[in-house]
Amino acid sequence: SQTIHQWPATLVQPVGSPLSLECTVEGTSNPNLYWYRQAAGRGLQLLFYSVGIGQISSEVPQNLSASRPQDRQFILSSKKLLLSDSGFYLCAWSVTEYEQYFGPGTRLTVT
Amino acid sequence: GQQLNQSPQSMFIQEGEDVSMNCTSSSIFNTWLWYKQEPGEGPVLLIALYKAGELTSNGRLTAQFGITRKDSFLNISASIPSDVGIYFCAGHPVGGTYKYIFGTGTRLKVLA
Repeated sequence: SQTIHQWPATLVQPVGSPLSLECTVEGTSNPNLYWYRQAAGRGLQLLFYSVGIGQISSEVPQNLSASRPQDRQFILSSKKLLLSDSGFYLCAWSVTEYEQYFGPGTRLTVT
Repeated sequence: GQQLNQSPQSMFIQEGEDVSMNCTSSSIFNTWLWYKQEPGEGPVLLIALYKAGELTSNGRLTAQFGITRKDSFLNISASIPSDVGIYFCAGHPVGGTYKYIFGTGTRLKVLA
């Protein structure tokens, strides 16, 4: 069966510090991968998605970036965090346009 | 970005009551998904729909893919306290890329 992992689960970082969040998927090949951000009590905002290694589509201009160094690994990064980067970050995967499955999320607090 | 119109935004119901929520879009969708999210966790897929008119159940949950392909409905029968959470609809537009469009969520609270 397929599983999706995210780490860390929680993170507290000062403004201006770098960020690296990791997502890995097991049990499937060539998945489409997604990064979403969710503000408290709000909906899901798509940040990036990838249909293959090295292929990244950005949805929202910001100081975040994404990379896909391996088929089942998706990384969200920032060189300098802003207060507005705080939120709940969710990774998800899908195969074609059917079901999409989410990871457990990372709670990021920028202080 | 584009979002689906999901209603109601929130619901307070008594345990044992039935719940209905819906999502509408101006675009035609070829897939509808319904998720439940509990505090501090990722959304969990409840039901997936692929054909117009399709009616699918998962326990006490029933969802339908609207005939116009522009809407979907989720019903929860005989609600229980553990049904509390935020329910999201999501869809994949016809002719779109691999992006999913999400509703704004329905926050459900069940009073015992």
